[in-house]
This record gives sequence, structure tokens and C-alpha cells, in this order.
Amino acid sequence: AQSVTQPDIHITVSEGASLELRCNYSYGATPYLFWYVQSPGQGLQLLLKYFSGDTLVQGIKGFEAEFKRSQSSFNLRKPSVHWSDAAEYFCAVGAGNDYKLSFGAGTTVTVRA
Amino acid sequence: DTGVSQDPRHKITKRGQNVTFRCDPISEHNRLYWYRQTLGQGPEFLTYFQNEAQLEKSRLLSDRFSAERPKGSFSTLEIQRTEQGDSAMYLCASSLTIQGQSPLHFGNGTRLTVT
Repeated sequence: AQSVTQPDIHITVSEGASLELRCNYSYGATPYLFWYVQSPGQGLQLLLKYFSGDTLVQGIKGFEAEFKRSQSSFNLRKPSVHWSDAAEYFCAVGAGNDYKLSFGAGTTVTVRA
Repeated sequence: DTGVSQDPRHKITKRGQNVTFRCDPISEHNRLYWYRQTLGQGPEFLTYFQNEAQLEKSRLLSDRFSAERPKGSFSTLEIQRTEQGDSAMYLCASSLTIQGQSPLHFGNGTRLTVT
């Protein structure tokens, strides 16, 4: 079964600084990878997804992620964070025709002025 | 596209009571999922419907839990004889999937507190 590890529980970043959130997955074949964002008391919003093709994926709100098969990673990046990016971020992996997504435990991002 | 709608947003109940949550998926979506999220954790899969058929239930879903999706439209999740350990956010998601994977669209969840 597939699984996801998000090594960083909490990250604090200054507004305008760059952000990188780490995600490592475990799956034997090519995975389907997702990043979701969750604001307090809200559901999850899809930021971006990787199914195949170009390993650098662009998403909404200026986020991008890079799939690195050799490192089993799918790290999320943003060049310049805004105060509204403060939220919890979840990496998720799906596999083949398995309809379930497995989520990481999440990384909370705090943005300081 | 009005998004996935869940009702109620919050539910406080006493231990031993039954509760029922409702989820209205995006109208043309054929798949519907229920996830549970506890504090500080990512969502955990509970169950899944393809149209009206419930195709899998996680071992997290004890016999006190039941889910339905009559006519392949809205879904309900019922918890009988609630326990304090049932306190969590219950998330519904839907997708339009013909084959393989497609992104899940989540609702805002129902937060259950069992006192």
C-alpha cells in the first residue's frame, strides 16, 4: 500500500520569502501525487496534481511542485509567500486504479510579517 | 459548479446518541468518498461509492458506522451509539472518474464533538 511522509510538522516563513514543503511517498510504481491546502475549519482545496509527463507541475496561487522519482519526493514550492498562504498543507498519493488517496500528516505554515 | 456541500457544519452530541451527516456532491460526479480527520492528522479514508454502490469500507469504519448513497446522488453517514473517540472532522469528497485517478473535490466537512 502507498504511504506519504511529510517530515516538517510546522514551518514559519517571512512574508515575501520562498517556501518549500517536503513530501516523500512510498509506492512501487508510478504514483499519482497531489498537494492540498486546508484553511482552519475548512475543507481541502487542490493546489496541483501530477499524473504523468513533465515532472515540474504548476498549480494555483503561484505554487509548483517537482516529482523526483529517484528520491520518491514531490516537494511543493512557492517563490514568494503571502500572508494568505498561512494554512495547513497536505501531500497525498494515489496508485493506479486504487480510488483511495493516502494523505500525509500535514505541514502547518505560519507567515510572519 | 456549486461544490461539495456538507450538512451540518458542526454537531455536538452526547455519548451514546446517534448522528447523521449529509453530503451533496458536485452534480455530475460519479464517485463519492468519506474521510475522517482528527486533530493534527491528515484525512483517513472511510468509505467510497461508485454511483450508488458502496465498494469498500475501511477497517476504521466499525459496525456503528453506516453510509448510503441512494440513487447515486447525495450520501449520508450515520454513526450509532457515538463514542468520544468518534470526535473528528468528517469530510466528504467527490470526483468524476472514468478510469484511473482524478482529483478529489472536498466539502468543508462536518465537525463532530461527542461529550
